[in-house]
Amino acid sequence: DAKTTQPNSMESNEEEPVHLPCNHSTISGTDYIHWYRQLPSQGPEYVIHGLTSNVNNRMASLAIAEDRKSSTLILHRATLRDAAVYYCILRDYDFGNEKLTFGTGTRLTIIP
Amino acid sequence: GAGVSQTPSNKVTEKGKYVELRCDPISGHTALYWYRQSLGQGPEFLIYFQGTGAADDSGLPNDRFFAVRPEGSVSTLKIQRTERGDSAVYLCASSFSTSGTGEQYFGPGTRLTVT
Repeated sequence: DAKTTQPNSMESNEEEPVHLPCNHSTISGTDYIHWYRQLPSQGPEYVIHGLTSNVNNRMASLAIAEDRKSSTLILHRATLRDAAVYYCILRDYDFGNEKLTFGTGTRLTIIP
Repeated sequence: GAGVSQTPSNKVTEKGKYVELRCDPISGHTALYWYRQSLGQGPEFLIYFQGTGAADDSGLPNDRFFAVRPEGSVSTLKIQRTERGDSAVYLCASSFSTSGTGEQYFGPGTRLTVT
């Protein structure tokens, strides 16, 4: 599986935007970029995914570099509830690669 | 609607004992996954079911681990002769689609402690 690299931890002030980076230099043409997050004592939850174009949903935005070798998850206005571990995961479009391969993620701390 | 549920939420057992962990997926989801998460690590894939059959069990660490999904809904993860190294949070997830765009919905996990 293609690998992703994320910073171990980040801090952000409450109500400020947060940019969480992810490097995936060996991404293949059929890999989707997925983001999940895991709040304390909970299972992971889906945040967003994209292939080539930038994506927006109610939770976040995903900015994908033109060469697709990196991406950034953007939380537009962080709240205390956004404190979690954020995982950037590559997932092949084709059937037969159904599992999610998690790394260690980025632990995001929100400062009140 | 109801999400993925897992029982028990906590399980403490003695080394050498047998345990069963249960997962109730979201109704209508054909794909079901088991993951294991050790402290400070991301979840690690164990096994994936499509319907009743195990489509990929490459993540099961050894033959002490086994999982079933007899009617294509509820799944049970079974661990024989438990060892202290099996202590972890066991997560279950389900999804409607297994393609690269398919979102997986996770349960809260079962925390297994082997003493």
